[in-house]
Amino acid sequence: GEDVEQSLFLSVREGDSSVINCTYTDSSSTYLYWYKQEPGAGLQLLTYIFSNMDMKQDQRLTVLLNKKDKHLSLRIADTQTGDSAIYFCAEKGNAGNMLTFGGGTRLMVKP
Amino acid sequence: NAGVTQTPKFRVLKTGQSMTLLCAQDMNHEYMYWYRQDPGMGLRLIHYSVGEGTTAKGEVPDGYNVSRLKKQNFLLGLESAAPSQTSVYFCASSPTNNEQFFGPGTRLTVL
Repeated sequence: GEDVEQSLFLSVREGDSSVINCTYTDSSSTYLYWYKQEPGAGLQLLTYIFSNMDMKQDQRLTVLLNKKDKHLSLRIADTQTGDSAIYFCAEKGNAGNMLTFGGGTRLMVKP
Repeated sequence: NAGVTQTPKFRVLKTGQSMTLLCAQDMNHEYMYWYRQDPGMGLRLIHYSVGEGTTAKGEVPDGYNVSRLKKQNFLLGLESAAPSQTSVYFCASSPTNNEQFFGPGTRLTVL
């Protein structure tokens, strides 16, 4: 099956930028997503990008997609302690509505 | 508008016991999903449904059954629980486009 990989952990200082990376194997991906999960809660959709786009910006969030390398990144500008959470990358292929998730990256923001 | 709700929030079972997890959504979504979340593995799709009366297997369906008798409800059943089914279970729903909305999760422990 298809695979989505993420690094396990990222630590940054408050006010710095955070960059969370994701790689995937499905060459037929149509949409790629970033979800945020706070402790004890479900997943919250942060943003998504269509596969024919290179970049999408939404306030402090910037998503970059390199389709050739199958690499997706999420940049959070001016990272705050409230951004501490687990961030999941997910991709949707061109068949059905199923998502394949990465293992999640735990972001820790130090004051 | 409650979104996606899950019942119960927590449950402890003994090996061999059965139980049913209930997911309900009030957004009139066609698609509904059951995932399990295990440490470092992201979310894995157990079963899903593309409409009332339909169900299909996901990535890890063994040991689980589902039913979608009403559009707003998606039930996940464990007929004979095993310790390997200790996990956090998330339900999600989506309209026929892309975004999946997640419930808060059910934490299940099988002793």
